Amino acid sequence: DGGITQSPKYLFRKEGQNVTLSCEQNLNHDAMYWYRQDPGQGLRLIYYSQIVNDFQKGDIAEGYSVSREKKESFPLTVTSAQKNPTAFYLCASSIWGVANYGYTFGSGTRLTVV
Amino acid sequence: AQSVTQLGSHVSVSEGALVLLRCNYSSSVPPYLFWYVQYPNQGLQLLLKYTTGATLVKGINGFEAEFKKSETSFHLTKPSAHMSDAAEYFCAVTNNNAGNMLTFGGGTRLMVKP
Repeated sequence: DGGITQSPKYLFRKEGQNVTLSCEQNLNHDAMYWYRQDPGQGLRLIYYSQIVNDFQKGDIAEGYSVSREKKESFPLTVTSAQKNPTAFYLCASSIWGVANYGYTFGSGTRLTVV
Repeated sequence: AQSVTQLGSHVSVSEGALVLLRCNYSSSVPPYLFWYVQYPNQGLQLLLKYTTGATLVKGINGFEAEFKKSETSFHLTKPSAHMSDAAEYFCAVTNNNAGNMLTFGGGTRLMVKP
C-alpha cells in the first residue's frame, strides 16, 4: 500500500545537537511538507517542496533545514539554532497543482530535548 | 488570500449526543474544503472533503459536513457521538489559485463523556 513513512516515531535530542527526521513517500506525489505541532497551536508550516531540488520556507523555518534530492524523500534537520525544538513533527505530501486532492500525512515524529 | 476559523478549541459532548464542530472560511475564489481527524500521537487522516457538486458531503465514521456558500461555513456533524470519536479535528481550505497549499484552522478537540 502507498503511504508516507516518518521515522523515528520518538526522538530524543541533547542540547546543541542536530537531529534529522526522515520522511519517505511512495505515492509518487510531487509536493511534500513539514509541519510542527505544539499543544494548542495547531499546525505550523516549516518548509515545503514542490519539486526535486527545490524547497520554500514556511512560516517558522528558522532553526530548520531540509533537502529534496529525491522525489520520495524530504528529510528535516532540526539544528542547534532551534531554541525550542520539543514538538510533534508531521510530514505530508500531495499532488502539486491539483487543489482538490488534499494532503496525505505521515504518522509523525515526537522530538524531545533532554 | 484564504483563512479558516474553527469556533471552539474544545468541545465536549455526551456519548450518543449530536456532534457539531464549526468551521468558517474565507476565500476569494470558490474553495475546496477539508476536514481531517487526528488521534493522539498520530498523523492527520482525511474525514471528508468538498470540491464541487453536492453541498452535503458524507465521510468516514458517520461524519458529514455541509458547504454553505452564503454563510461561508463547512460545519462538521455526526448524529450520535461515540467514545472513539474523541480526537482533534482540523478544517482546511484551498482553491485553484493557491496551487494546493492548504490553510488549516486551529483545530477543535472533541471530548466525549460516557
